[in-house]
Amino acid sequence: GIQVEQSPPDLILQEGANSTLRCNFSDSVNNLQWFHQNPWGQLINLFYIPSGTKQNGRLSATTVATERYSLLYISSSQTTDSGVYFCAVLSSGTYKYIFGTGTRLKVLA
Amino acid sequence: EAQVTQNPRYLITVTGKKLTVTCSQNMNHEYMSWYRQDPGLGLRQIYYSMNVEVTDKGDVPEGYKVSRKEKRNFPLILESPSPNQTSLYFCASSLSQGGNTEAFFGQGTRLTVV
Repeated sequence: GIQVEQSPPDLILQEGANSTLRCNFSDSVNNLQWFHQNPWGQLINLFYIPSGTKQNGRLSATTVATERYSLLYISSSQTTDSGVYFCAVLSSGTYKYIFGTGTRLKVLA
Repeated sequence: EAQVTQNPRYLITVTGKKLTVTCSQNMNHEYMSWYRQDPGLGLRQIYYSMNVEVTDKGDVPEGYKVSRKEKRNFPLILESPSPNQTSLYFCASSLSQGGNTEAFFGQGTRLTVV
């Protein structure tokens, strides 16, 4: 089955710093989403981005489907950005999302 | 507001006592599914439903039942819970299951079976 890898696994930032999270996937996909799992366990939708680039405030994402990767950019990080960031893909012909292993982000005040 | 609502958010129960976790969506989505999240194992699909009265097993269906009698609701039933079902559970929905549809997840249900 399709493999989804995220890097880095852990990231510690000072408040105000920028970061780039990466998601690599091993096969073609129909959908790709980025989620933020907050400290209370909730999965928050960040981007639905099977291809192209989107921006939402301090966050932006780019997916290059032909090269099988997606990037999530966080600018001017805040302590509320802490948590785990997941990318999830829906591979062709299947009925489930495959989640990456996540990037655990801690932003220090 | 478009959302997927799960209840309860937290539950502690005893082995063997039947329980139901409810999931409801207000977006008229056809596709719904259940996942469980465990440390080191990530999120794994339990069951999914393509539409009313159409359900199928995911990767880890043992010990769970589901039903889809109405489009908006997709409850997860544990007939005889065991400690290995202690987990964080998520319900998800999307307009359909295929390309170009965004999935929305509920707030999660943290279940502890003692």
